[in-house]
Amino acid sequence: GQNIDQPTEMTATEGAIVQINCTYQTSGFNGLFWYQQHAGEAPTFLSYNVLDGLEEKGRFSSFLSRSKGYSYLLLKELQMKDSASYLCAVRGGSTLGRLYFGRGTQLTVWP
Amino acid sequence: NAGVTQTPKFQVLKTGQSMTLQCAQDMNHEYMSWYRQDPGMGLRLIHYSVGAGITDQGEVPNGYNVSRSTTEDFPLRLLSAAPSQTSVYFCASSPPRPRKDTQYFGPGTRLTVL
Repeated sequence: GQNIDQPTEMTATEGAIVQINCTYQTSGFNGLFWYQQHAGEAPTFLSYNVLDGLEEKGRFSSFLSRSKGYSYLLLKELQMKDSASYLCAVRGGSTLGRLYFGRGTQLTVWP
Repeated sequence: NAGVTQTPKFQVLKTGQSMTLQCAQDMNHEYMSWYRQDPGMGLRLIHYSVGAGITDQGEVPNGYNVSRSTTEDFPLRLLSAAPSQTSVYFCASSPPRPRKDTQYFGPGTRLTVL
């Protein structure tokens, strides 16, 4: 089966750095994705890792270790608008294109 | 391109009623899927399709039917609505050989079953 775990909630203050962890156990692996979802809106794509290492995109970075089944999303210079749910998803299994989602981490950024 | 569109945005049903949630994409994506999202549960896959004429069940298919007669459209049918189906429904699509830009989500349909 597929199992993806991430913390339920996190809080941080404006300007700080926060790391959201995700661990996964899947049959087959073809990429790990992070999505951001603001309340009442659809998820939007943030980052993608398929090889081990760090991918950086502006204030957001994502790391992957396939041998450990582990990823994290790093958010720097936090802003109030970063308050959202962050979803970890793994593309795996036998069906090309299918994603398995974690339950999401609700991040609250305080002033 | 309009991307992925969903209708309606909001819907209220009575228990036992049936309805169809519409989903369409204009990106020629082969893979389409339906998710439901409930508080604390994340996104759970209901049904998916890898191309016209091909559908399969996801994690929570009971009470829902799908069909894929064209590449563009992937409607989700609730056969006999139940309060447990109160949720937010998202449709998503992705290209035939998934790239790093992954799945594109529609804006969602918020369904309440009384």
